[in-house]
Amino acid sequence: KAGVTQTPRYLIKTRGQQVTLSCSPISGHRSVSWYQQTPGQGLQFLFEYFSETQRNKGNFPGRFSGRQFSNSRSEMNVSTLELGDSALYLCASRPQGALTEAFFGQGTRLTVV
Amino acid sequence: QKEVEQNSGPLSVPEGAIASLNCTYSDRVSQSFFWYRQYSGKSPELIMSIYSNGDKEDGRFTAQLNKASQYVSLLIRDSQPSDSATYLCATTGYSSASKIIFGSGTRLSIRP
Repeated sequence: KAGVTQTPRYLIKTRGQQVTLSCSPISGHRSVSWYQQTPGQGLQFLFEYFSETQRNKGNFPGRFSGRQFSNSRSEMNVSTLELGDSALYLCASRPQGALTEAFFGQGTRLTVV
Repeated sequence: QKEVEQNSGPLSVPEGAIASLNCTYSDRVSQSFFWYRQYSGKSPELIMSIYSNGDKEDGRFTAQLNKASQYVSLLIRDSQPSDSATYLCATTGYSSASKIIFGSGTRLSIRP
């Protein structure tokens, strides 16, 4: 069974640009969550999608948005990039049901210059 | 108050000894608890899940949960240099819609 796949693995963008990150969950998983990880802040929850609907949202500005497609693949978009958006962006998928654990992709390392 | 708290470390343990990692959580409705291991530059990897009070053992790893004290721990026996990593504690609520919240992690270093 293939794991969670994130693309691209590395990205360098200029301040003010926008970026789209992609995540394909484990087959059969319908929940996809996104996290931002920085050295100072740890793993910060961005949002979670389930069956194409956002069902949880973290405390991030509106520049961060996401969506999920009918095949459960998810994209995350960040507009008007700031230097502080430089981070490792992690996608995690979960099987359906309560109490389930999350499985992470390898992450996308975003550097904003 | 953070929802999930961990000592950031670093925690230095000699090879072969027991490493003890601790975590407290603030939400009393938390139902599931997870330990993830993250090597530098890599993504978190699930190593243990625990749902009921008591101990759960898996190889060299033992997770301990005390819901009354809102406390969960991870013991690593016979610590190896390959255990050197950051360990993340995480929890989620009783609903299938509950998000998983992570602590900031404890950095563990196993010295030869």
